[in-house]
Amino acid sequence: EIVLTQSPGTLSLSPGDSATLSCRASQSVRSNFLAWYQQKPGQAPRLLIYGASSRATGIPDRFSGSGSGTDFTLTINSLEPEDFAVYYCQQYASSPYTFGQGTKLEIK
Amino acid sequence: EVQLVQSGAEVKKTGESLKISCKGSGYSFANWWIGWVRQMPGKGLEWMGIIYPGDSDTRYGPSFQGQVTISADKSISTAYLQWSRLKASDTAMYYCARHGSVSAGTNYFDFWGQGSLVTVSS
Repeated sequence: EIVLTQSPGTLSLSPGDSATLSCRASQSVRSNFLAWYQQKPGQAPRLLIYGASSRATGIPDRFSGSGSGTDFTLTINSLEPEDFAVYYCQQYASSPYTFGQGTKLEIK
Repeated sequence: EVQLVQSGAEVKKTGESLKISCKGSGYSFANWWIGWVRQMPGKGLEWMGIIYPGDSDTRYGPSFQGQVTISADKSISTAYLQWSRLKASDTAMYYCARHGSVSAGTNYFDFWGQGSLVTVSS
């Protein structure tokens, strides 16, 4: 089973800042089969990024994903108030398709 | 428009059985995998398993194998998650989500249901 470790656990930033969230895998993620999701309180998760770097439909271009192998990054430029949420990475290269433990992005 | 609508909140006692549902619309239900994700109170997301309604091919995460049953009825575009004997530790929010093709490498969750809260007490 591939274990995903996200860092930091909590990130405190202000609107207008840029955020960098990390996701590290315990073994190489084949074909960069890595997705990112956003979850706001009381809501279901929402797909942001798939294939490590492809934005899902309707996702603003301030969200970008990068990385390969075992190290992946979600970058959010010019944070908007609605971006403060919990973010999860997920690998879908090897069943079970595990999630990271999440990074909480909070307003400073 | 793709929609997944889940059944409502449930309050059950330990040892009871339960089946929750997820009805899909706006796409060809039989031709897309559907998955279930658990979120325990204040915790992260856990991948439980997936089913292909077209032929009922089912895969389980190791932590959930033997603990739950995933099924689907393609004639009514509905997937199910069921327990035969609930435990207090089953208390959680459960989400269904559409899951892309494993063979095509698009097997991430692109559309999600609103969640079904299951509370189990003694």
